[in-house]
Amino acid sequence: AQTVTQSQPEMSVQEAETVTLSCTYDTSESDYYLFWYKQPPSRQMILVIRQEAYKQQNATENRFSVNFQKAAKSFSLKISDSQLGDAAMYFCAYRSAESGYALNFGKGTSLLVTP
Amino acid sequence: NAGVTQTPKFRILKIGQSMTLQCTQDMNHNYMYWYRQDPGMGLKLIYYSVGAGITDKGEVPNGYNVSRSTTEDFPLRLELAAPSQTSVYFCASSSRDRGNQPQHFGDGTRLSIL
Repeated sequence: AQTVTQSQPEMSVQEAETVTLSCTYDTSESDYYLFWYKQPPSRQMILVIRQEAYKQQNATENRFSVNFQKAAKSFSLKISDSQLGDAAMYFCAYRSAESGYALNFGKGTSLLVTP
Repeated sequence: NAGVTQTPKFRILKIGQSMTLQCTQDMNHNYMYWYRQDPGMGLKLIYYSVGAGITDKGEVPNGYNVSRSTTEDFPLRLELAAPSQTSVYFCASSSRDRGNQPQHFGDGTRLSIL
């Protein structure tokens, strides 16, 4: 099974600043998808951004962007102009045809945003 | 738009009791999943289904059973509840695709076994 590693249990950023959350994964597959999910205290799972492995261009969604390095098996999330509402747990997830396209999650990074 | 609905939201069970966590979706999705989230951890796959009548085990299936008699419903059964099953349970669904469509999650069920 593929493993997803998030090496930063906690991160802190000041409002309006930029922060990068790290994620690495281990796989021998060539066709897969990567996601970042946000989980606020309400425990909802909210999709932040997704990346198809066959696309070289890094995905961007407003203030959120990724740095996808396929050869290095790295998928970091950059949050620009951080807002107080960005405070949450962030999970990196891998998805492939294995297990019916189920998501394989990392342990998460807790992001604190300070005024 | 209801999306994925899980019931109940909270439940306390005694050791050895059994219960069923309900999950229903109204998006006509073929794929459905059950995950559990332990404190400070990511979600782990318990069972999944790729269509009505088809289910398979995920990473942590012991102590659980599922069924999928309709496209809409995917209940998770806990038999002989144990303290190790204290967790937050999420149901999710997605359309039949190659994996680029997001999974839609329910709001979760917080289950405590005492």
